[in-house]
Amino acid sequence: EDQVTQSPEALRLQEGESSSLNCSYTVSGLRGLFWYRQDPGKGPEFLFTLYSAGEEKEKERLKATLTKKESFLHITAPKPEDSATYLCAVWGETSYDKVIFGPGTSLSVIP
Amino acid sequence: DVKVTQSSRYLVKRTGEKVFLECVQDMDHENMFWYRQDPGLGLRLIYFSYDVKMKEKGDIPEGYSVSREKKERFSLILESASTNQTSMYLCASQVRGGYTFGSGTRLTVV
Repeated sequence: EDQVTQSPEALRLQEGESSSLNCSYTVSGLRGLFWYRQDPGKGPEFLFTLYSAGEEKEKERLKATLTKKESFLHITAPKPEDSATYLCAVWGETSYDKVIFGPGTSLSVIP
Repeated sequence: DVKVTQSSRYLVKRTGEKVFLECVQDMDHENMFWYRQDPGLGLRLIYFSYDVKMKEKGDIPEGYSVSREKKERFSLILESASTNQTSMYLCASQVRGGYTFGSGTRLTVV
């Protein structure tokens, strides 16, 4: 059965303090791994898609990387506006078009 | 820009009422999904649809039904609302695996 876990559950950073969020997955035949950002009371917003181990994607202060077992979302010199919940999701060969979501990491960046 | 629109941001309904949550996408996507999101439980799939008039049960379909009469519109129906259906409801459409979500409907059943 496809599974996704994320750690830590919550992370509190000082502004400018770089860190990484982890997404560990078990999937039969990875077709894609997705990162989303969700602000309170809103729907998740798409950030990145990664398709194969070794792939990296960047957007402003965020960088997503992928290995065969996990993905990292690196946040460099975060700002308070980066505060949000970050969701990881996997799309596997056996789940047809259903995507399995992790529980999320709640990030707070303190000025 | 692609768009998924949910008709209501906030909704308050009484126990036993029949509730309709509407979702429209403008991307001509075939796949559409309904999730509910609760603190500590994450996103849970209620129903999904691969095409017009086709529907499949997700992980928690009890107490819900869906309708997809046109490709762009996917409706979630609470047949008889109960307090344990108070939640954030999220609609999504899909292409190449990735989802585009609507802004969500916060439903409170009193």
